[in-house]
Amino acid sequence: DAKTTQPPSMDCAEGRAANLPCNHSTISGNEYVYWYRQIHSQGPQYIIHGLKNNETNEMASLIITEDRKSSTLILPHATLRDTAVYYCIVRVRGKSTFGDGTTLTVKP
Amino acid sequence: EPEVTQTPSHQVTQMGQEVILRCVPISNHLYFYWYRQILGQKVEFLVSFYNNEISEKSEIFDDQFSVERPDGSNFTLKIRSTKLEDSAMYFCASIRDRGRTGANVLTFGAGSRLTVL
Repeated sequence: DAKTTQPPSMDCAEGRAANLPCNHSTISGNEYVYWYRQIHSQGPQYIIHGLKNNETNEMASLIITEDRKSSTLILPHATLRDTAVYYCIVRVRGKSTFGDGTTLTVKP
Repeated sequence: EPEVTQTPSHQVTQMGQEVILRCVPISNHLYFYWYRQILGQKVEFLVSFYNNEISEKSEIFDDQFSVERPDGSNFTLKIRSTKLEDSAMYFCASIRDRGRTGANVLTFGAGSRLTVL
């Protein structure tokens, strides 16, 4: 599985968009980008995934660059409940390897 | 929405005791996983299980650990002789079908907190 790099922490004002970047420069052609988050010590929660097209669901949008070497998770209107650790994972199949993620703190 | 259910939510045990953590994956899921997270550290992969056998395991998953799916619904993680360093949150997860990306999403349970004294 390709290695990912994320900033360790980010802040965001409540109601504003949170843009979380992820670098995955060694991603291979058939690897997908997945985003999960972990609120406090709860089980990780799936957010969104994509291959090369931008994706949107009820939780977030995922923007993948044309060369697929990086992506951005966008939470369009962050709330205090979005404070969590966000993990970017790339894989085809098999185990998902969690890195350190980005701790997003949404502030009032 | 279907959930992965884990029991117990918290278990306290003495060092050297056997512990069994239980998981009920989502009913039509075929691939099952155990992860653990020591307090303040990363979520670490332990083992994956498919078709009644281990498909992949990490270095952490040594002879003290075992998994089984005894009755077609439960998926258990057994730690034979617990050590202090086994204290962690243990998460069970499942995937419906690993072969198609649309179904490759891991659904995690809420976790079982194991405290070894």
